[in-house]
Amino acid sequence: DAKTTQPTSMDCAEGRAANLPCNHSTISGNEYVYWYRQIHSQGPQYIIHGLKNNETNEMASLIITEDRKSSTLILPHATLRDTAVYYCIVRPLMDSSYKLIFGSGTRLLVRP
Amino acid sequence: NAGVMQNPRHLVRRRGQEARLRCSPMKGHSHVYWYRQLPEEGLKFMVYLQKENIIDESGMPKERFSAEFPKEGPSILRIQQVVRGDSAAYFCASSPLMTGANTDTQYFGPGTRLTVL
Repeated sequence: DAKTTQPTSMDCAEGRAANLPCNHSTISGNEYVYWYRQIHSQGPQYIIHGLKNNETNEMASLIITEDRKSSTLILPHATLRDTAVYYCIVRPLMDSSYKLIFGSGTRLLVRP
Repeated sequence: NAGVMQNPRHLVRRRGQEARLRCSPMKGHSHVYWYRQLPEEGLKFMVYLQKENIIDESGMPKERFSAEFPKEGPSILRIQQVVRGDSAAYFCASSPLMTGANTDTQYFGPGTRLTVL
């Protein structure tokens, strides 16, 4: 079972920041937070991951709370092409923990 | 650097036929994972392979399904005697060689959509 909880759906206006929350209150000290997204009918696309520090790349920023029980994925300037299902996944830092366990994710709709 | 490639992208089979799905990992990646996404459901892990070895097939149905990743060539997911319930999108992912305790990001291919008539 997925160890994360996400809102079922969200929407935001094009050009605005999209802030997608994720709760992972049972996260262990050796678990990373990963974000993927799936645009309709396509394969999941890796976005970003982090352990405890905030992370930023060309796609998004990941803000992890100090207690690590929740995180927020930020798309700074959402475009229509960012409409997708976003998955927040926790994954242990262990060689044997290769499975990605996908939950239901958040369906983000970017409005024109 | 080409991404993960899967073919065919769409596959139609009649009940009882065999389906073969192919996955070529990203260059330099020696770990392959297969996931299945049933209509209107989330992705579910099926099997994890390294070259010539099945590491974990705990998510794969016990009958009719098999997977391989030979020394040369793509990984193959084979479904024998397909049934309508096998209709789904099958995604392959790959990651680099794991060293020590490092996690490695999985990168997904575009998927193969199997339709069983």
